[in-house]
Amino acid sequence: AQSVAQPEDQVNVAEGNPLTVKCTYSVSGNPYLFWYVQYPNRGLQFLLKYITGDNLVKGSYGFEAEFNKSQTSFHLKKPSALVSDSALYFCAVRDRPGGATNKLIFGTGTLLAVQP
Amino acid sequence: KAGVTQTPRYLIKTRGQQVTLSCSPISGHRSVSWYQQTPGQGLQFLFEYFSETQRNKGNFPGRFSGRQFSNSRSEMNVSTLELGDSALYLCASSLGETGNTIYFGEGSWLTVV
Repeated sequence: AQSVAQPEDQVNVAEGNPLTVKCTYSVSGNPYLFWYVQYPNRGLQFLLKYITGDNLVKGSYGFEAEFNKSQTSFHLKKPSALVSDSALYFCAVRDRPGGATNKLIFGTGTLLAVQP
Repeated sequence: KAGVTQTPRYLIKTRGQQVTLSCSPISGHRSVSWYQQTPGQGLQFLFEYFSETQRNKGNFPGRFSGRQFSNSRSEMNVSTLELGDSALYLCASSLGETGNTIYFGEGSWLTVV
């Protein structure tokens, strides 16, 4: 079964420092991976996705993610954190039931806290 | 281009009642999915519709149902509400092909009392 794991419930970083939010996956076949961000009392906002191609994926708001097949990881990164980046971040993988689907399986989320 | 629109945004229902939530996908999107988000269970997939047909279904009881109309708008219904159904219900839309970006709405906050 497809799954993703976010090993950290919370990540604390100082404003201006680089940030990393970790995600590992377990899939059969090639993974389709996504990152979303959720601000308080809001829906999910799409940040970026990996389908195929370059291992470094660039997304919205200066975020990027590195796909590493050997480590089965898809960590989210940003070179310089902003206080406004403080939010809940979700990693997700597309399910593969044998047919077409856009069902996503989500990790448990990582709360990013950026201190001024 | 308008995003995914969900209505109502907030609602309070009593145990035993039923509720209908509505979702208008991004124009041109044919796939609509629904998710339930709770603090204890996280984000869980309810069902997905594509061109008015249910394409995938999660592990929820039969009290949870959905449908999609010819204009791709979707509704989900929960009958005989239980306290545990209190959650944020999120709708997502995409063009429908594998690998397409999936966009979410702001959600409908349901409180069951």
